[in-house]
Amino acid sequence: EAGVTQFPSHSVIEKGQTVTLRCDPISGHDNLYWYRRVMGKEIKFLLHFVKESKQDESGMPNNRFLAERTGGTYSTLKVQPAELEDSGVYFCASSNRDYYGYTFGSGTRLTVV
Amino acid sequence: LAKTTQPISMDSYEGQEVNITCSHNNIATNDYITWYQQFPSQGPRFIIQGYKTKVTNEVASLFIPADRKSSTLSLPRVSLSDTAVYYCLVGDALGNTGKLIFGQGTTLQVKP
Repeated sequence: EAGVTQFPSHSVIEKGQTVTLRCDPISGHDNLYWYRRVMGKEIKFLLHFVKESKQDESGMPNNRFLAERTGGTYSTLKVQPAELEDSGVYFCASSNRDYYGYTFGSGTRLTVV
Repeated sequence: LAKTTQPISMDSYEGQEVNITCSHNNIATNDYITWYQQFPSQGPRFIIQGYKTKVTNEVASLFIPADRKSSTLSLPRVSLSDTAVYYCLVGDALGNTGKLIFGQGTTLQVKP
């Protein structure tokens, strides 16, 4: 079984630019989550999809962040425009009701300069 | 979701047994205790989950006392490759209803 795949693994962009991160969950997993860790901080929840619907987006920092999951398969997280404080590692995870725990991807390291 | 407290760091030597204790005084009746392991440049990886008493799998054991206000992850005979950050979390068992709340985790350094 393929794991959770995230692309790109690294991204360096200038302040003010737009970046789109992609997450491919495990096939058949209805639940998809985005988390991030900014430098020196703990891993923080961003949002939760159930299929294509946003179940909980309480962790989204502001309206510069837009997450989508069209068709309930892969998800994208767009940051527009990017700011310096957006730098960090963005993790995606997926789960389903029959599986203990969450499966995380390896993350996308975003650096805004 | 219950907050957890665990040591920031621990050192051990190859071949030793390592026990990492986590406090979760406000654990709810329906909360499970789950441990994740994270290597550098990777996402957290599920290790073990339990509700009470003892759970053992091929990687670790999890000891949970009757009051469930703490838990201990036990790693038998650690090797250098067990050097990682270990997170203790409490919440939904099957991961289908909500977010995980990560603390700082315990950075385990295994020395030769």
